[in-house]
Amino acid sequence: NAGVTQTPKFQVLKTGQSMTLQCAQDMNHEYMSWYRQDPGMGLRLIHYSVGAGITDQGEVPNGYNVSRSTTEDFPLRLLSAAPSQTSVYFCASSLRGKLFFGSGTQLSVL
Amino acid sequence: DAKTTQPPSMDCAEGRAANLPCNHSTISGNEYVYWYRQIHSQGPQYIIHGLKNNETNEMASLIITEDRKSSTLILPHATLRDTAVYYCIVRGGWEAGGTSYGKLTFGQGTILTVHP
Repeated sequence: NAGVTQTPKFQVLKTGQSMTLQCAQDMNHEYMSWYRQDPGMGLRLIHYSVGAGITDQGEVPNGYNVSRSTTEDFPLRLLSAAPSQTSVYFCASSLRGKLFFGSGTQLSVL
Repeated sequence: DAKTTQPPSMDCAEGRAANLPCNHSTISGNEYVYWYRQIHSQGPQYIIHGLKNNETNEMASLIITEDRKSSTLILPHATLRDTAVYYCIVRGGWEAGGTSYGKLTFGQGTILTVHP
């Protein structure tokens, strides 16, 4: 099993650009989530999904969209990137309360 | 979810036990205590979780006080590779069902530094 795979690992955007962070898991987990982590801070939940076709907002959802068309994939879309979205993004899937994280995407918005 | 309080940093000598405390005085009866750690730049890693009994696995032991208001994560023989930020999180277990069982709120955690 590859576990949770995130792409890309690094990305630089200009203000106003849009992009999609990809997340895929091969463990057949129903629950998936996106977190962002800013320097010196813990992780903050952006959006989560409890299964295909079901998503909900976390603590900091503004500026991000998600969809869950399959169990395996949970992409995170930045609609119009802003410098405040410069952060490290982690995707996770969950089984029985245990979260399994990807290796992260480091995003810089100039 | 119950709020947790952890010391911001701790040191430990290599080969000694590392005991990381966590206070969760507002924990409710159906809430579990979870521990994760994050090694620099990597995604957090699950360590252990428990409800009221002490738990042990290949990574660590979790001691929960009888009143469940605090817990201690024990790394029995710390190594340099255990240097990381350790997060104590309290929330309902997966058996609670609903849409929020997987939502974990990460605080600031404890920076554990293991010295040679």
